[in-house]
Amino acid sequence: NAGVTQTPKFRILKIGQSMTLQCTQDMNHNYMYWYRQDPGMGLKLIYYSVGAGITDKGEVPNGYNVSRSTTEDFPLRLELAAPSQTSVYFCASRPPGDSNQPQHFGDGTRLSIL
Amino acid sequence: GNSVTQMEGPVTLSEEAFLTINCTYTATGYPSLFWYVQYPGEGLQLLLKATKADDKGSNKGFEATYRKETTSFHLEKGSVQVSDSAVYFCALRDSNYQLIWGAGTKLIIKP
Repeated sequence: NAGVTQTPKFRILKIGQSMTLQCTQDMNHNYMYWYRQDPGMGLKLIYYSVGAGITDKGEVPNGYNVSRSTTEDFPLRLELAAPSQTSVYFCASRPPGDSNQPQHFGDGTRLSIL
Repeated sequence: GNSVTQMEGPVTLSEEAFLTINCTYTATGYPSLFWYVQYPGEGLQLLLKATKADDKGSNKGFEATYRKETTSFHLEKGSVQVSDSAVYFCALRDSNYQLIWGAGTKLIIKP
């Protein structure tokens, strides 16, 4: 079972470059999330989506954009990379219904901006 | 606002020792509470949860009880193994159905 798949696993960017972090899930989950994990900090929600065509800002959306054209895919885009965006990024998904159901996480993308 | 506070790590124990990782929260109402675990190089996965006061979540020998009076959800295990080495995250579900996360506690178990 693939679950939640994130690509790439690692990436180094120069300041001002752009890139897209890919996330896809094969569980037909409606809800999808993007988090960033900084050292010594808990996960911070960047954006989330409750279904195809619907996205909403989380706690730390500045500098990022998302789209949700299909149920399976939820890419995260950095338009002008900044050193403050150096972090580990996690994508997660959850089925509809009971909001206490667990979120399923990908293995993360480690991004460094130099 | 809502927040979760966990004990700082790393926590280093010998195999078969008793484990407690403290977690306290601040929230309006009565949020659901969760413990997630992150093994090296992997994403987070749900370890256990409790959805109302006095509920006890349990899984893989780990337990945590939802204590409303002390706003706590401490994680415990009677006898840890080397394979339990990981980072443990406490989280609450807020009124917008989003998860608010603690900073994580790294656990190191030595043989």
